Amino acid sequence: ETGVTQTPRHLVMGMTNKKSLKCEQHLGHNAMYWYKQSAKKPLELMFVYSLEERVENNSVPSRFSPECPNSSHLFLHLHTLQPEDSALYLCASSQDDGPGNEQFFGPGTRLTVL
Amino acid sequence: LAKTTQPISMDSYEGQEVNITCSHNNIATNDYITWYQQFPSQGPRFIIQGYKTKVTNEVASLFIPADRKSSTLSLPRVSLSDTAVYYCLVAPLTGGGNKLTFGTGTQLKVEL
Repeated sequence: ETGVTQTPRHLVMGMTNKKSLKCEQHLGHNAMYWYKQSAKKPLELMFVYSLEERVENNSVPSRFSPECPNSSHLFLHLHTLQPEDSALYLCASSQDDGPGNEQFFGPGTRLTVL
Repeated sequence: LAKTTQPISMDSYEGQEVNITCSHNNIATNDYITWYQQFPSQGPRFIIQGYKTKVTNEVASLFIPADRKSSTLSLPRVSLSDTAVYYCLVAPLTGGGNKLTFGTGTQLKVEL
């Protein structure tokens, strides 16, 4: 596989469930990102990892917990979510973590919280 | 990071050239200008990036005046498949923190 992949593509969960989103990049990049995009709203940057270290956390609620075990993989662990957390969750990667670097996005995970 | 302003929406017809202008009055010396395209329910896709003057690739051209306070993305001969949201971003390649925001972008609608 090439590029940035995300699994699952669709996820429905109850508010008491625990689930994880997975992202994998095959580009040899050093930086990885999680974004949230709610319906008809701009992309919101959630987390940034550079060389497996978290370098940015944009005031994201603790019910979202990121994990970056190596430079190719990024997870977003979800627990006790709220219905307003329903959104498209996008993973991206770039060669370096400078904001002007070209970001390569995955196809996203469509999350629905019931 | 520099604040950008671009039109909320634009309409065009197939075969026309579309120019989307982005204003970035407080652009810094080390900032680059990058444009992304996003289709519904997909992640954004990089279109073009430039620092000054003109940059052209197989899908678009980017015009940047000497003062760099604005930029124009030019899409030649658009088709229905170019209907998407276009984002203008201004940021350095290194440093500058990671607070990259995509803003609301410009919704381009192409009709027959």
